[in-house]
Amino acid sequence: DAGITQSPRHKVTETGTPVTLRCHQTENHRYMYWYRQDPGHGLRLIHYSYGVKDTDKGEVSDGYSVSRSKTEDFLLTLESATSSQTSVYFCAISESSGTADTQYFGPGTRLTVL
Amino acid sequence: QKEVEQNSGPLSVPEGAIASLNCTYSDRGSQSFFWYRQYSGKSPELIMFIYSNGDKEDGRFTAQLNKASQYVSLLIRDSQPSDSATYLCAVNEARDDKIIFGKGTRLHILP
Repeated sequence: DAGITQSPRHKVTETGTPVTLRCHQTENHRYMYWYRQDPGHGLRLIHYSYGVKDTDKGEVSDGYSVSRSKTEDFLLTLESATSSQTSVYFCAISESSGTADTQYFGPGTRLTVL
Repeated sequence: QKEVEQNSGPLSVPEGAIASLNCTYSDRGSQSFFWYRQYSGKSPELIMFIYSNGDKEDGRFTAQLNKASQYVSLLIRDSQPSDSATYLCAVNEARDDKIIFGKGTRLHILP
C-alpha cells in the first residue's frame, strides 16, 4: 500500500467553525490531491498540488483552501464549515501528473458538519 | 466539463460468471484509463490501467479499450463474492492532465 495517512479519520463539527484535514505521505511523490465523495456525485477534485507551495483549484474548490509547505504534507482547510461540506474526503498522491500516471488514495476522512 | 459515464447498477452476477462493467467518456483526446475498486467504507484501490486500444489482462481481470467508440470496459472472470464492490472508471483529461472519475457501478456477486 502507498504510504498515505489522513487525519483525523472522523470529525464532527458545527457550522461556522474552521476545520483542517491533513494528508501525509511517505512516498516523496510530487503530486497530491484532495477529493470529496458524495452519493450521486462520485469523486470530485477540490484542489491539487504539483509541488511545495504550488497548488491549483479543482472542480469544487469554493469554500476550501489548501497549503503545502513540505513535500510530505498537504492540508485542506474549511475556513467556515457548512452543512454542504459534510462528506468523505480522500487524499491521493501520484508520482507525476499526466497521461501515464496513476493515483493512490489515502484511507479517507469522514466529516460531518452539524 | 468532460464526462465519464457509468451505469450505477447494481449489477448482479452469479458466482463463477463473467461480470462486465462499462464506461464511456467524452474527451476524445484522453489517453489514460483506469479502473478502481472501492469496497463500502473504504478508499478506492487501483485494479488496472490501460493506454492502448485492445485488451489488457491481469489475472481474472481484463480491461478493454476502444478509443474510436470512446468506450472502456472491465471484465471480471470467475466472479467471486469478494468482487462485490463499486467499480470506478477514471479517464485523464487531455488538456490539463486531471483525472475525471465516473460515479461508479455497484457490482453484487450472488453466491
